[in-house]
Amino acid sequence: DAKTTQPPSMDCAEGRAANLPCNHSTISGNEYVYWYRQIHSQGPQYIIHGLKNNETNEMASLIITEDRKSSTLILPHATLRDTAVYYCIVRLQGAQKLVFGQGTRLTINP
Amino acid sequence: DSGVTQTPKHLITATGQRVTLRCSPRSGDLSVYWYQQSLDQGLQFLIQYYNGEERAKGNILERFSAQQFPDLHSELNLSSLELGDSALYFCASSAAYSGNTIYFGEGSWLTVV
Repeated sequence: DAKTTQPPSMDCAEGRAANLPCNHSTISGNEYVYWYRQIHSQGPQYIIHGLKNNETNEMASLIITEDRKSSTLILPHATLRDTAVYYCIVRLQGAQKLVFGQGTRLTINP
Repeated sequence: DSGVTQTPKHLITATGQRVTLRCSPRSGDLSVYWYQQSLDQGLQFLIQYYNGEERAKGNILERFSAQQFPDLHSELNLSSLELGDSALYFCASSAAYSGNTIYFGEGSWLTVV
């Protein structure tokens, strides 16, 4: 699986959009980008995933650059409950496990 | 609620002892995964079972073992416990052998004293 690089920490004001970047410059054509988050020692929570097109669901939007070397997870209106560690994971199509890195610790400030 | 159920939520035991952690996957999911999260190691993949058979192995110690039963629930057995085994242990499940989204339970917090 390709390696990902995320900033160790970020801050965002409540009510604003939180934009979390992820670099995956060695991603291959059959690798998906997955995002999970972990709220203070709870189980990792699936957010969204995509291959090359932008994706949106009720939780977030995923923007993948055209060359697929980076992506951004967007939480459109961040709340205090969005404070968590966010993991960007590149996963080969058909792969079994998820390999977690260190993630980005996002703090939403009132 | 992911639909993955783990018991117990918290467990305190002494060094040298043996414990069993239990996991019920989401309804219909055939794959079960076990992960360990300690303060200094992050989330580490331990092992995967699919429909009762071991399918992938990660950094699982020889003192640890797992199995998946015919009703698809899984157990992680940890023996000869050491202080360093204190960690959060997560179970996760997915529908198929590979490629599907993986959903995590809330974890079992093990403290070895």
